[in-house]
Amino acid sequence: QSVLTQPPSVSAAPGQKVTISCSGSSSNIGNNYVSWYQQLPGTAPKLLIYDNNKRPSGIPDRFSGSKSGTSATLGITGLQTGDEADYYCGTWDSSLSAHWVFGGGTKLTVL
Amino acid sequence: QVQLVQSGAEVKKPGASVKVSCKASGYTFTSYGISWVRQAPGQGLEWMGWISAYNGNTNYAQKLQGRVTMTTDTSTSTAYMELRSLRSDDTAVYYCARLVEVGTVAGNSRSYDYWGQGTLVTVSS
Repeated sequence: QSVLTQPPSVSAAPGQKVTISCSGSSSNIGNNYVSWYQQLPGTAPKLLIYDNNKRPSGIPDRFSGSKSGTSATLGITGLQTGDEADYYCGTWDSSLSAHWVFGGGTKLTVL
Repeated sequence: QVQLVQSGAEVKKPGASVKVSCKASGYTFTSYGISWVRQAPGQGLEWMGWISAYNGNTNYAQKLQGRVTMTTDTSTSTAYMELRSLRSDDTAVYYCARLVEVGTVAGNSRSYDYWGQGTLVTVSS
């Protein structure tokens, strides 16, 4: 059971928009920056969004991030078949045993 | 360009130890921390811990305390993760990842901007 809760799967048609939620608590999302990672099949995770809503160089603006309270959201517009992947949110958890936490991951299917 | 290149796949028997390496290039090794993240077959990402390449400070996931040791060799810009008393549920792909940590007025910004290619560790009798 992950500390951060994500839907196991989402799906949408090519060209459409999808959002992936990530729910946590005040010890993690509520007081720390959130990042998002894309993991294409058989590859290592790749940083997609950092500091809640910033995109690293090379990440298209079809990908966006937001945070409100103890939840964060990843948005993807203009879906492409190449976006089919697992998406993970992550953040620091400032509880007694400070550590990093990941969400359980969301499988995106582009129909 | 920044690269993290990990050692090759390992097959170990239960109770044995494994040591995975992660050689960094393209940046000043001691300016960033390195974390290890593992992924069991068909499962999500699990954070194992972090080591400062600057001073060797470590922070391990509670469930792995006592079984895991992370070290660095600054002379070769290489990070190591050793896991002892291996069990079948330690079978996973192990990744190293570079931690970017920046202090801001709103708190510390942390994210993992570069990842190694992964090392499959199989624990089987």
